[in-house]
Amino acid sequence: AQTVTQSQPEMSVQEAETVTLSCTYDTSESDYYLFWYKQPPSRQMILVIRQEAYKQQNATENRFSVNFQKAAKSFSLKISDSQLGDAAMYFCAYRSYGGSQGNLIFGKGTKLSVKP
Amino acid sequence: EAGVTQSPTHLIKTRGQQATLRCSPISGHTSVYWYQQALGLGLQFLLWYDEGEERNRGNFPPRFSGRQFPNYSSELNVNALELEDSALYLCASSLERAGGYGYTFGSGTRLTVV
Repeated sequence: AQTVTQSQPEMSVQEAETVTLSCTYDTSESDYYLFWYKQPPSRQMILVIRQEAYKQQNATENRFSVNFQKAAKSFSLKISDSQLGDAAMYFCAYRSYGGSQGNLIFGKGTKLSVKP
Repeated sequence: EAGVTQSPTHLIKTRGQQATLRCSPISGHTSVYWYQQALGLGLQFLLWYDEGEERNRGNFPPRFSGRQFPNYSSELNVNALELEDSALYLCASSLERAGGYGYTFGSGTRLTVV
C-alpha cells in the first residue's frame, strides 16, 4: 500500500522569504500523480500544484514550485516570496495512475505560518 | 460554475444516532469521494463512487455507508454514531476516474457527536 509522509508538522516563514515543505512517499508503482493541496481556515482544500511521475520536469505555478525526485520518492514544495495569505495547512497527496484506486492518499499535513 | 456543495455545514448528533451528509459534485463530474478529517489525523479516505457504483472503500467499519444518485450527487450515512466519529467530512468530485487531474473539494460538514 502507498503511504505519504510529511515530516514537518509545523513550519514558519517570514513574509517575502522562501520556504520549502517536505514530502516523501512509498510506492511500488512507476506511474502515478502527486499533488500539493492547501487548506486555509475556511476548510476548503485548494489544489496548489500537480506533478505526473512520468514527467521529469518539475511543475511550477507562479510562486509555487516542486522538486520531484522520483528515485528518492521525494516531492517537496517551494513557496517563493511568501505572502500572509499563504498561511494554511499544506497536504501532500498521492494518486495511482490506474483507475482501480482513484482516491488520493494524503500525508498528515504541515501547518505553515507566515510572519509579517 | 458552482463548486462542490456540501450540506449541512454543521451537524450535532447524539451518540448512537444516525447522521446523513450530502454532497453535490461539479456539473459533469461523475466521481465523488468522501474523506474524514479528524483532528491531527489528516484526511482518511472513506468511499469512492463513480457512475452510481461504489468503486473503492477505505478502512472504516460498515456503519459508514453511502450511495450515489443518478444525478451524481451523493450522501454519506453514519450509523450508530460514536464520539470518535466527530470530524470534518470532506467531499470531492473529479472529471474522470483515471485522469489524475486531482479533485475539487467542498467546504465540508463538521459533525459533532455528543
